[in-house]
Amino acid sequence: DQQVKQNSPSLSVQEGRISILNCDYTNSMFDYFLWYKKYPAEGPTFLISISSIKDKNEDGRFTVFLNKSAKHLSLHIVPSQPGDSAVYFCAASAIDSGNTPLVFGKGTRLSVIA
Amino acid sequence: DAGITQSPRHKVTETGTPVTLRCHQTENHRYMYWYRQDPGHGLRLIHYSYGVKDTDKGEVSDGYSVSRSKTEDFLLTLESATSSQTSVYFCAISEGPRAGYGYTFGSGTRLTVV
Repeated sequence: DQQVKQNSPSLSVQEGRISILNCDYTNSMFDYFLWYKKYPAEGPTFLISISSIKDKNEDGRFTVFLNKSAKHLSLHIVPSQPGDSAVYFCAASAIDSGNTPLVFGKGTRLSVIA
Repeated sequence: DAGITQSPRHKVTETGTPVTLRCHQTENHRYMYWYRQDPGHGLRLIHYSYGVKDTDKGEVSDGYSVSRSKTEDFLLTLESATSSQTSVYFCAISEGPRAGYGYTFGSGTRLTVV
């Protein structure tokens, strides 16, 4: 059973517009969430994170919103640029998870069209 | 760049042969992970290590074994390669188990089993 779900396999956005990538989770014990970005032929790289004590975290053009009651988070990219075209993975970690690794979603491929 | 390297970067092997992939880090991080990435499945955890000689299984561990005899090296072995193990394999490292420590990924190994 998937604990972290990214229900949109792909998303296409015009350059300059907003990109919104969504992520849902089922485990109410998750307390820390991350977004990773992956270009072809490279490993994923950390993009932005948010703790469950916050509902928003911003870093330049990237903002992550967390809605704990809905078990939903979203990544907003404004304005979108062609260089943002990549696969984005949502990941989560649980309180008192011991050595348990991050749980990743299946990813969303973002294409930003010039 | 982060001190994590994977070798080989590409490999083609025949069905039924054993294959070993290597992950080497120079960061002295305690935690190391092996993931595979497949279309439609995202990043799936194969095995992970939380210290020298301390390893545990992930969600897709069947057909794989790992060894960690020293902090810097984490080996992934396909005991008898099958076509279903054709994939891109990523190694990751982390200072600690909690998500706040973040994961650093290697550049990946593309394995083709023919």
